[in-house]
Amino acid sequence: KAGVTQTPRYLIKTRGQQVTLSCSPISGHRSVSWYQQTPGQGLQFLFEYFSETQRNKGNFPGRFSGRQFSNSRSEMNVSTLELGDSALYLCASSPPRVETNTGELFFGEGSRLTVL
Amino acid sequence: GEDVEQSLFLSVREGDSSVINCTYTDSSSTYLYWYKQEPGAGLQLLTYIFSNMDMKQDQRLTVLLNKKDKHLSLRIADTQTGDSAIYFCAERGPRSYIPTFGRGTSLIVHP
Repeated sequence: KAGVTQTPRYLIKTRGQQVTLSCSPISGHRSVSWYQQTPGQGLQFLFEYFSETQRNKGNFPGRFSGRQFSNSRSEMNVSTLELGDSALYLCASSPPRVETNTGELFFGEGSRLTVL
Repeated sequence: GEDVEQSLFLSVREGDSSVINCTYTDSSSTYLYWYKQEPGAGLQLLTYIFSNMDMKQDQRLTVLLNKKDKHLSLRIADTQTGDSAIYFCAERGPRSYIPTFGRGTSLIVHP
């Protein structure tokens, strides 16, 4: 099976712009989670989608949003970018819980966003 | 609230054992994980342990869980330069889909 694919891998934006990041989960995985990774804060949970519905949400402002499509692919959007949004954004998918009891997350390589 | 703490850096000599420690606060944690992140890559599950276990061994890796003290450790025997990475501790409760991650420990292995 192909792994979790994130695009783009790198991007540079300026303050005030918006950005859309894409994530294709492993085939058969219906849960997609998004995380923000920064040196200062570590790994922060953004949101999780399952069957096109946001099932869990982290403590981020409304500028951060996401969605999931019927094929389980997911996008996240950040509007009105700030310098502090510079980070590695990681997407992770997980298989249906009937298949595994470990709760393992499968991560993509991330999208590195730089805000100037 | 839930919290997972781990030290930020660990430096060891090649061939020595590495021990990375983690503490967590959620007493209902059911699953505890160690993820590894190599430079430029996402996280990859290294090993996991259920809360009803005290120890799990997998080749060079040994995980110890002290549930009373809410302390988890990862021991890497015969550490190699290829083990240099960031190691994340994570925990998840029985009814949660979302694990809580620590900030990660950067393991540096020098010759």
